[in-house]
Amino acid sequence: DVKVTQSSRYLVKRTGEKVFLECVQDMDHENMFWYRQDPGLGLRLIYFSYDVKMKEKGDIPEGYSVSREKKERFSLILESASTNQTSMYLCASGSGIGRSEQYFGPGTRLTVT
Amino acid sequence: GESVGLHLPTLSVQEGDNSIINCAYSNSASDYFIWYKQESGKGPQFIIDIRSNMDKRQGQRVTVLLNKTVKHLSLQIAATQPGDSAVYFCAEGGTASKLTFGTGTRLQVTL
Repeated sequence: DVKVTQSSRYLVKRTGEKVFLECVQDMDHENMFWYRQDPGLGLRLIYFSYDVKMKEKGDIPEGYSVSREKKERFSLILESASTNQTSMYLCASGSGIGRSEQYFGPGTRLTVT
Repeated sequence: GESVGLHLPTLSVQEGDNSIINCAYSNSASDYFIWYKQESGKGPQFIIDIRSNMDKRQGQRVTVLLNKTVKHLSLQIAATQPGDSAVYFCAEGGTASKLTFGTGTRLQVTL
């Protein structure tokens, strides 16, 4: 079974803090994704990566950055957290070969106060 | 997550009945479609997928129907069980492996 793990299930940070969300997958997938999920808005893509050290902006990249130094790990960084970044953050990975299925982690619920 | 179900359209179905969840997609160039299930406190889980060269695909208790003419996707769940209660998302994608998700439908199974 594919396993995608996220470093924290719940996180509370203060406005202005730098926040790191870590994601690790164990299936040697090339593609990794970060989404945020908000009520009524569904999943929105923040950033994705097709390979180590490569990144592409998704639909809502403002206020976020990412890092992919190793194939299995994809980090989401909030340089200066703001209250409107309070959300559920979901990481996903996929092989991108043939099928486009993505496997999701359990999510990190981030609250910025 | 726990608050995903708020503000979502809700389908209420009696245990044992069949459920049909609908989704309209936006991009006529999309060639791959997926249904995901998200239970409270968990990430989305893959249910079934279908490519644009098909109009129907069956899995275990689930069937996905694709109507490209009207850009409509549906998920049918046979003999709905309490464990099927969740939020269901459709997603559309192309060969680039990037998916665009719908806002979801909450399925409530009543006893």
